[in-house]
Amino acid sequence: DVKVTQSSRYLVKRTGEKVFLECVQDMDHENMFWYRQDPGLGLRLIYFSYDVKMKEKGDIPEGYSVSREKKERFSLILESASTNQTSMYLCASSFGGARAYEQYFGPGTRLTVT
Amino acid sequence: GQQLNQSPQSMFIQEGEDVSMNCTSSSIFNTWLWYKQDPGEGPVLLIALYKAGELTSNGRLTAQFGITRKDSFLNISASIPSDVGIYFCAGRRGTSYDKVIFGPGTSLSVIP
Repeated sequence: DVKVTQSSRYLVKRTGEKVFLECVQDMDHENMFWYRQDPGLGLRLIYFSYDVKMKEKGDIPEGYSVSREKKERFSLILESASTNQTSMYLCASSFGGARAYEQYFGPGTRLTVT
Repeated sequence: GQQLNQSPQSMFIQEGEDVSMNCTSSSIFNTWLWYKQDPGEGPVLLIALYKAGELTSNGRLTAQFGITRKDSFLNISASIPSDVGIYFCAGRRGTSYDKVIFGPGTSLSVIP
């Protein structure tokens, strides 16, 4: 079974803090993704990576950056957290090629910025 | 930007009833996916569809890729309490590598 783990289930941070969200997958997947989930808006793509050290902006990259130094690990960084970044953050991974769109999700990190 | 619409937004049904939900877009999609999210967990892939007209089953779940390529349908037969959750459709237009768009979800509640 594919396992995608996220470093924290719940996180509370203050406005202006730098926040790191970590994601690890154990299936040797090429692709990794970061989404945020807000009620009524579904999942929105922040960034994705299709290889080590590669990254592509998604639909809402402003205020976020990412790092992928190893194939199994993809980090999301909030350089200076703001209250409008309070959300559920979901990491996902997938194979490359024809099955690239079948994504496997982690359990999510619920981030509250006060 | 591109949007997917899901209908209904929420459903309350009796255990044992069949469920139907759909996902529509104003644009043509090349791939449709259906996910289920349990409370407090990440979404889990249920079914992936890659060809117009394709009908695929996974246990009590059946999904179809609409002929127009602008919609997809998910049916659940003989619902049980563990079917409770949010069902998301997702689609790929094929113009952007590895990028899928998610619908807002259909929330399903099953009354025992």
